[in-house]
Amino acid sequence: DAGITQSPRHKVTETGTPVTLRCHQTENHRYMYWYRQDPGHGLRLIHYSYGVKDTDKGEVSDGYSVSRSKTEDFLLTLESATSSQTSVYFCAISDGTAGPQHFGDGTRLSIL
Amino acid sequence: SQQGEEDPQALSIQEGENATMNCSYKTSINNLQWYRQNSGRGLVHLILIRSNEREKHSGRLRVTLDTSKKSSSLLITASRAADTASYFCATDDRASGGYQKVTFGTGTKLQVIP
Repeated sequence: DAGITQSPRHKVTETGTPVTLRCHQTENHRYMYWYRQDPGHGLRLIHYSYGVKDTDKGEVSDGYSVSRSKTEDFLLTLESATSSQTSVYFCAISDGTAGPQHFGDGTRLSIL
Repeated sequence: SQQGEEDPQALSIQEGENATMNCSYKTSINNLQWYRQNSGRGLVHLILIRSNEREKHSGRLRVTLDTSKKSSSLLITASRAADTASYFCATDDRASGGYQKVTFGTGTKLQVIP
């Protein structure tokens, strides 16, 4: 398995609190992605990164921000969590623009 | 918006039977990929087929691509209980700037009954 670690794996928090999810890779891949997975919607891209300090928005970026200060770490932040952000969040990496993505095992986030 | 749509949404078969899942997409693509997701885990890449390929094999997996119909199929032969998972197609379209843009479908849930 590709070396991708997501933390935490599970989190329960309250509406209005800030939340940060971490994705750590040991593969030295250039590209990193954050997705959310919801029933009936499949996987939707939130943000992605194409290098250190280089990030861009995906399909469902509202309410989320990201940062990548090192090749190996990609952080996803919910500045003020809402119940609609309850979801399973997946980090993925890839080493090029044409090829497979490798996924972490996800973070299950519940916002009450 | 989703690019790929899998069909059927759910499929239940007996062990040893073949399983076929279909994916339709809307716009031109460079590549199409298939992924598997076991319950509670991340997606695992299975196979990638390029737009100039028509068929590709990997072990018990066979993928076909028909760009004229904008559709792909994934065939799992001689299914096993361990094949029970959700299967997703993903279209791989190069957006501006050269970064990879992959759009996933909503998946087919396969159950293989021992």
